[in-house]
Amino acid sequence: NAGVTQTPKFQVLKTGQSMTLQCAQDMNHEYMSWYRQDPGMGLRLIHYSVGAGITDQGEVPNGYNVSRSTTEDFPLRLLSAAPSQTSVYFCASSYLGQSNTGELFFGEGSRLTVL
Amino acid sequence: AQSVTQLGSHVSVSEGALVLLRCNYSSSVPPYLFWYVQYPNQGLQLLLKYTTGATLVKGINGFEAEFKKSETSFHLTKPSAHMSDAAEYFCAVSDPVGWALVAAGGSQGNLIFGKGTKLSVKP
Repeated sequence: NAGVTQTPKFQVLKTGQSMTLQCAQDMNHEYMSWYRQDPGMGLRLIHYSVGAGITDQGEVPNGYNVSRSTTEDFPLRLLSAAPSQTSVYFCASSYLGQSNTGELFFGEGSRLTVL
Repeated sequence: AQSVTQLGSHVSVSEGALVLLRCNYSSSVPPYLFWYVQYPNQGLQLLLKYTTGATLVKGINGFEAEFKKSETSFHLTKPSAHMSDAAEYFCAVSDPVGWALVAAGGSQGNLIFGKGTKLSVKP
């Protein structure tokens, strides 16, 4: 019962460094997404994907890249980290179908600090 | 555009007291509504959801919420608070029409979240 798995759980970066947050799901969900959570801001959509090879931008995409080479994996890349990217990042997935309600299944989060 | 407003960023109740967390939404179409709970240092877990049908929805851990279209509300309640209920609670809204278009590339399929309400339970 792995569900959505995110790694790493914690990461500290220096400004300008790059890194990749990993996300994998074993529920065969077509839809995968990345959110960031900041105090008092709720969750905001960064990027999303509706299947392998298909990605698109969400509400706050600047500074982040994504790719989707398989159904299972949806990594989030920070090419040049900035202090404003200090946040908790959540990967979430959902199935797409006639009975889809938009219910998302979340990973446990990755806490990123950029110094 | 859809939006969610959660009244009160912090709510404190005594153990055994009624829990009431307020959520109001704005949507141009009949929405799907959700409550998620986040325990410290964990991800979000679905408490309950409203899609269609009965407007009183029961969820896990004794929580329930009632969809009131006339008030555009979806408040979360629990008759008797327990210490283990201390967490942050998020109300969220999604657009059924939008989600039906996600696979075709016609929508982001975004789940719009409120800013959250932290519930504290005093012994």
